[in-house]
Amino acid sequence: EIVLTQSPTTTAASPGEKVTITCLASSSVSNMYWYQQKSGASPKLLIYSTSSLASGVPDRFSGSGSGTSYSLTINTMEAEDAATYYCQQWSSNPLTFGSGTKLEIK
Amino acid sequence: EVQLQESGPGLVKPSQSLSLTCSVTGYSITSNYWGWIRKFPGNKMEWMGYISYSGSTSYNPSLKSRISITRDTSKNQFFLQLNSVTTEDTATYYCARRNLYYGYFDYWGQGVMVTVSS
Repeated sequence: EIVLTQSPTTTAASPGEKVTITCLASSSVSNMYWYQQKSGASPKLLIYSTSSLASGVPDRFSGSGSGTSYSLTINTMEAEDAATYYCQQWSSNPLTFGSGTKLEIK
Repeated sequence: EVQLQESGPGLVKPSQSLSLTCSVTGYSITSNYWGWIRKFPGNKMEWMGYISYSGSTSYNPSLKSRISITRDTSKNQFFLQLNSVTTEDTATYYCARRNLYYGYFDYWGQGVMVTVSS
């Protein structure tokens, strides 16, 4: 099973600040997906195929990476971006999720 | 618009079976893949399994002996059964649609909290 380790576990950013969340895989994966989950809501797909923006997602979000290292970047933090973020892979069975990063607004 | 809705008991006794239904509207379950994912207290998320457009299934090996996913195409519903539950199965359970070609979930239900307790 591929283990996905996210860092940081928790972080806070001021409006306008740039935020980067990292996802490290225990083995190489070909693609990474990213989700945003706000309190009381279901996860929402943000990024697919490592760097493609899902429909309706603001372009301040971006994804990058390859092999065992991937990242999600929020270019300019907004209050509505406060949420928990998860990476997910399915290059290898079973499909696995990252440990989660809680992002708070300062 | 694709919509998914989970339903089922919120409380299950240890050693019993957990049974949930996912009702899908706006899209046929005879297309794509349809999965179950759960989120434990403390935020860990686990993929449990899915049923395909053809009715074939794939399960997380960690659950393989306890899980069954079935469907009723006439009602456009699919189902989760998890046997011999323990308190460690306490979680919020989500059903979701998996993209046909890639491994991501693009539509999710709102989730149902299930507590395993005597």
